[in-house]
Amino acid sequence: EPEVTQTPSHQVTQMGQEVILRCVPISNHLYFYWYRQILGQKVEFLVSFYNNEISEKSEIFDDQFSVERPDGSNFTLKIRSTKLEDSAMYFCASSEGGTSGTNTDTQYFGPGTRLTVL
Amino acid sequence: GQNIDQPTEMTATEGAIVQINCTYQTSGFNGLFWYQQHAGEAPTFLSYNVLDGLEEKGRFSSFLSRSKGYSYLLLKELQMKDSASYLCAPDNYGQNFVFGPGTRLSVLP
Repeated sequence: EPEVTQTPSHQVTQMGQEVILRCVPISNHLYFYWYRQILGQKVEFLVSFYNNEISEKSEIFDDQFSVERPDGSNFTLKIRSTKLEDSAMYFCASSEGGTSGTNTDTQYFGPGTRLTVL
Repeated sequence: GQNIDQPTEMTATEGAIVQINCTYQTSGFNGLFWYQQHAGEAPTFLSYNVLDGLEEKGRFSSFLSRSKGYSYLLLKELQMKDSASYLCAPDNYGQNFVFGPGTRLSVLP
């Protein structure tokens, strides 16, 4: 069964450094997403991406963050100048897209990358 | 904007039935998703309701009332492995998921 994959599973970085989190969405999916989950808190939406551009972003997704689809398979989240409070689990998700209000909206999540900022 | 409310925690016994409620207020609504999240893992899809009523899928069923902004997830014949957080998420035209705060279910032997 196709699945979303993410690398690395755990990333440790120093405060102020840049990190790139990588995701490979399910191959026939058209919509891609990033979420984060700070330990013990709820899953929070960061950004959605469709047709090579951001379709929606949350207040969390400020200038520190950027996303890119550098090739036909990868979808990346870049965090510039990391802060201690960026420590969280980052989930990538993808959905097939299509007719609104159907199961094609179902988002499938990758296993996550745990980011630790020291 | 969106406002989603779920109970924070619930406890039930193995073999029992539990109902996890979710109320929501959203600016746009197509349907409602339920996801399961085990500690330290990613959310996994459980169900999607578009129409009012109950949809049954094995031990798990999900109910939706669009007019009341209300949904519930019904888990029957509880097993220890059902201990997890259950997240409801209104489908906002397939755009961002705003997950509810999640209900942490503990299943006791």
